[in-house]
Amino acid sequence: KQEVTQIPAALSVPEGENLVLNCSFTDSAIYNLQWFRQDPGKGLTSLLLIQSSQREQTSGRLNASLDKSSGRSTLYIAASQPGDSATYLCAVRVRGSARQLTFGSGTQLTVLP
Amino acid sequence: DTGVSQNPRHKITKRGQNVTFRCDPISEHNRLYWYRQTLGQGPEFLTYFQNEAQLEKSRLLSDRFSAERPKGSFSTLEIQRTEQGDSAMYLCASSLGTGSSYNEQFFGPGTRLTVL
Repeated sequence: KQEVTQIPAALSVPEGENLVLNCSFTDSAIYNLQWFRQDPGKGLTSLLLIQSSQREQTSGRLNASLDKSSGRSTLYIAASQPGDSATYLCAVRVRGSARQLTFGSGTQLTVLP
Repeated sequence: DTGVSQNPRHKITKRGQNVTFRCDPISEHNRLYWYRQTLGQGPEFLTYFQNEAQLEKSRLLSDRFSAERPKGSFSTLEIQRTEQGDSAMYLCASSLGTGSSYNEQFFGPGTRLTVL
């Protein structure tokens, strides 16, 4: 059974710092990996989708990488801002149960002004 | 607004009552998903529809839960005889896809259920 782990569970950084969020998964047979942002009490906002054949995706200050063989993905946030404060979730779509996303528990990020 | 919408946004009910939630996906999306999220955890998959057909159900979806998508557009999730353990955020997502293509899922704002 696929397990997705995100460490650390919480992270606090000063404004302007570059940071990396980590995601690891146990089964490398995935179709794709998706990073989401969730504000308190709200739904999920999709940030980036990386297909299994890709190594990275970029959107603005965000860059996500995927190393399928080692079961790892990172989300890099450049020049962090207080508005980036949220919980960041990664999710994988596994071959064999591709209709569903399997999520990690998230990293709660706080960017201090 | 052309995103996924869910109603109600909040529901408080007493144990033993039945509740029903509604999800309206992005209009051209043929695939619809329900997830459940408890505090401090990531969402867990409940069920999946392609058009009006319910093609997959998680073992988390007990006999008290039923979901429908009667015309391949909006979907409803009903919980009968609610229990305190049903308290959670219920999230709906939709995507566009054919065959074995699995595209980005877009999520709604969720319905927060509190069972007293």
